[in-house]
Amino acid sequence: DTEVTQTPKHLVMGMTNKKSLKCEQHMGHRAMYWYKQKAKKPPELMFVYSYEKLSINESVPSRFSPECPNSSLLNLHLHALQPEDSALYLCASSPVRGRLNTEAFFGQGTRLTVV
Amino acid sequence: GENVEQHPSTLSVQEGDSAVIKCTYSDSASNYFPWYKQELGKRPQLIIDIRSNVGEKKDQRIAVTLNKTAKHFSLHITETQPEDSAVYFCAASGANAGKSTFGDGTTLTVKP
Repeated sequence: DTEVTQTPKHLVMGMTNKKSLKCEQHMGHRAMYWYKQKAKKPPELMFVYSYEKLSINESVPSRFSPECPNSSLLNLHLHALQPEDSALYLCASSPVRGRLNTEAFFGQGTRLTVV
Repeated sequence: GENVEQHPSTLSVQEGDSAVIKCTYSDSASNYFPWYKQELGKRPQLIIDIRSNVGEKKDQRIAVTLNKTAKHFSLHITETQPEDSAVYFCAASGANAGKSTFGDGTTLTVKP
């Protein structure tokens, strides 16, 4: 399995809702990422997990809460979002090779709309 | 932090022509430079990458060149085809493993 799978593909939520985005990979990658991508913009890094530990938080608001329950799964819990948080949320994974940076394998994304 | 500039923002070529996209980076510690292709409504996918100890890398119609001194790298696509139409992103990664900074993207249109 050489894919990163994200669910759901689309999500519409109200500003008072709580929802979660899920990401799964079975490539044995020990680095996993959440990116946010607005239309016609590059992916913007939010969080990095390395060996199931949070290693990078790009000053993301606390209404986004990541979780890495095991080496194959990555979740993003959403609470009290704002309409400007509407975007494509991409999960990615990479093999870890010491301190070397490696290619990211992206999921197909969750298209989130906050109403 | 790292800053990556990408040019041009849009590029239109005739089928069969070559396309060149250029990126510059600011952090001399950056050592890994991937290029991603994102078709409309799809995920970004790696098409080629290069590390700082290499000056050029080719994969069929695609090549990447890196000039460490000038801190720029370029994507070259030869014999372009309509299916090459997409947004292309360059990225640079450095000492902070796992953190990539992306360029703003180039929308390539290949006209049949």
